[in-house]
Amino acid sequence: NAGVTQTPKFQVLKTGQSMTLQCAQDMNHEYMSWYRQDPGMGLRLIHYSVGAGITDQGEVPNGYNVSRSTTEDFPLRLLSAAPSQTSVYFCASSYSSSGYETQYFGPGTRLLVL
Amino acid sequence: DQQVKQNSPSLSVQEGRISILNCDYTNSMFDYFLWYKKYPAEGPTFLISISSIKDKNEDGRFTVFLNKSAKHLSLHIVPSQPGDSAVYFCAAKAAGNKLTFGGGTRVLVKP
Repeated sequence: NAGVTQTPKFQVLKTGQSMTLQCAQDMNHEYMSWYRQDPGMGLRLIHYSVGAGITDQGEVPNGYNVSRSTTEDFPLRLLSAAPSQTSVYFCASSYSSSGYETQYFGPGTRLLVL
Repeated sequence: DQQVKQNSPSLSVQEGRISILNCDYTNSMFDYFLWYKKYPAEGPTFLISISSIKDKNEDGRFTVFLNKSAKHLSLHIVPSQPGDSAVYFCAAKAAGNKLTFGGGTRVLVKP
């Protein structure tokens, strides 16, 4: 059972480049979300999805796009990377939006934007 | 303006002693609180939670205390073990089911 997987583990981008952070889960969870973790700031919610075809913005959505075409996958797109997007990104999934105790996080993607 | 704050970025404790992690919040609408543990190169994992209608919740070596009047919660780890060395995040939930996280406290348990 793979749980929540994220690729890549580490990425270096130049300002203005685009990329997609991949997230997949094999637990048939309806709720998926993306967080970014910055030093001293904890985790901040970027976007979330309550099911296939449904997405919504979190606390810090600017500069990021998401889509949810399948239950399993929830990619995060950076259309034009900026140094302020240097961070560690975590994808999470759970059965429902209130399933905090059973929310599983992926191992993270470390992104450096030069 | 951070609504959830962990004012101690790090904590060092001797194995077998008590670790006390603190968390303060400003939003009186928070009704559920959680602690997560995070090891390097891994995602956070749920540790323990408490509802705002309680003032204490215990799970083995971990106890969370909530003081609503002071808007303060704490996590006690007794006894501390080397495997407890990690970063601990407190988080709080208001209506809408979104979590607000504190900045984290790095705990080092020395053998």
